[in-house]
Amino acid sequence: GAGVSQSPSNKVTEKGKDVELRCDPISGHTALYWYRQSLGQGLEFLIYFQGNSAPDKSGLPSDRFSAERTGGSVSTLTIQRTQQEDSAVYLCASSLLPPGGGNQPQHFGDGTRLSIL
Amino acid sequence: AQSVSQHNHHVILSEAASLELGCNYSYGGTVNLFWYVQYPGQHLQLLLKYFSGDPLVKGIKGFEAEFIKSKFSFNLRKPSVQWSDTAEYFCAVNAGTGNQFYFGTGTSLTVIP
Repeated sequence: GAGVSQSPSNKVTEKGKDVELRCDPISGHTALYWYRQSLGQGLEFLIYFQGNSAPDKSGLPSDRFSAERTGGSVSTLTIQRTQQEDSAVYLCASSLLPPGGGNQPQHFGDGTRLSIL
Repeated sequence: AQSVSQHNHHVILSEAASLELGCNYSYGGTVNLFWYVQYPGQHLQLLLKYFSGDPLVKGIKGFEAEFIKSKFSFNLRKPSVQWSDTAEYFCAVNAGTGNQFYFGTGTSLTVIP
């Protein structure tokens, strides 16, 4: 398929464990975004990549959260020492990145539903 | 920081009723505006977008939205809803010079046959 692919689709883990979430964007999409969607909440911006660099990490909720992107393609979001409040759906989106700003729509993956016991 | 407000959290309509979902944002400069829809069990997908030009934009499935700059609003409308429009609707704003998107909390629409 040509869409954004995220894995795993579901992840259940114990409090205190580390988790790694993966996002495979649409080929050729330079921009990649991570969001968190909690029950009854909107999409909370976490981090944005332009190529392999992350010019905006302002949304990461704590230093337990980190993300990287390699080869301008796949990105991983890592949560260390998970807490119950980390339970949410983690969404990845990608888009083209024209000069001058973000007027390209984002294409979303199906998300990873993370449950911390 | 920018913010996006969706005032209707949960809307219930009968089929053929008209729909209007509110969206207001706080940024005063040039903006790009989007509505996304998430059907049950599916991923978010673009419904329509506004970048410039005619403030009344038309999207898929008969939806339209009107950008009113003076009111900082981008309300979504549909003249006659169908059961298949049952979904979660999200408004999103991007400041014209940046690449961060701000989403509203979403509006859950239930259409009763």
